[in-house]
Amino acid sequence: GEDVEQSLFLSVREGDSSVINCTYTDSSSTYLYWYKQEPGAGLQLLTYIFSNMDMKQDQRLTVLLNKKDKHLSLRIADTQTGDSAIYFCAPRAGGYNKLIFGAGTRLAVHP
Amino acid sequence: DGGITQSPKYLFRKEGQNVTLSCEQNLNHDAMYWYRQDPGQGLRLIYYSQIVNDFQKGDIAEGYSVSREKKESFPLTVTSAQKNPTAFYLCASSLSPRTSGNGELFFGEGSRLTVL
Repeated sequence: GEDVEQSLFLSVREGDSSVINCTYTDSSSTYLYWYKQEPGAGLQLLTYIFSNMDMKQDQRLTVLLNKKDKHLSLRIADTQTGDSAIYFCAPRAGGYNKLIFGAGTRLAVHP
Repeated sequence: DGGITQSPKYLFRKEGQNVTLSCEQNLNHDAMYWYRQDPGQGLRLIYYSQIVNDFQKGDIAEGYSVSREKKESFPLTVTSAQKNPTAFYLCASSLSPRTSGNGELFFGEGSRLTVL
């Protein structure tokens, strides 16, 4: 079945850039999403990229998509303590709105 | 304000008891979903519903049941047949993928179930 892999932890210094990586197996994914989860809460959509794009920038967020390698990354510029959370990569599988979630990357921002 | 409301936020259950988690949305979304989240694992799909009075099993439906009698509501029952029910449960909704838009899922705040 479809699979999504992410590293589980990332620690960065405040003000540095963070890069969270994701690999997936379903080459038919049309939309690829990044969700953010704060402790004890639901998920919120951060950004997404359509499969015919290589890059999308949205303020401090930059998404890069390499379809050939099935690799997706999220770069957060000028990382702040408020960015500390779990980040989920979630490609949309097939024609129906079924998202496949990775295990999530826990981002810790320290002074 | 529009959104998804899950209740209760915390729930304790004795072994052998069924428990029902509530999920209500006022976003006028056709599709609704239930996910389970365990530490160190991604969200896993339990059930989803594309339209009222219709629902399909997800990847881990065993030991769970749902109903979709109203567009706004998609309750999940965790039955005594679920072997390891302690988890964080998330409900979500979206527009039908047939409509325009990016297919974003909107999530509730979750319900944490603990079996004693």
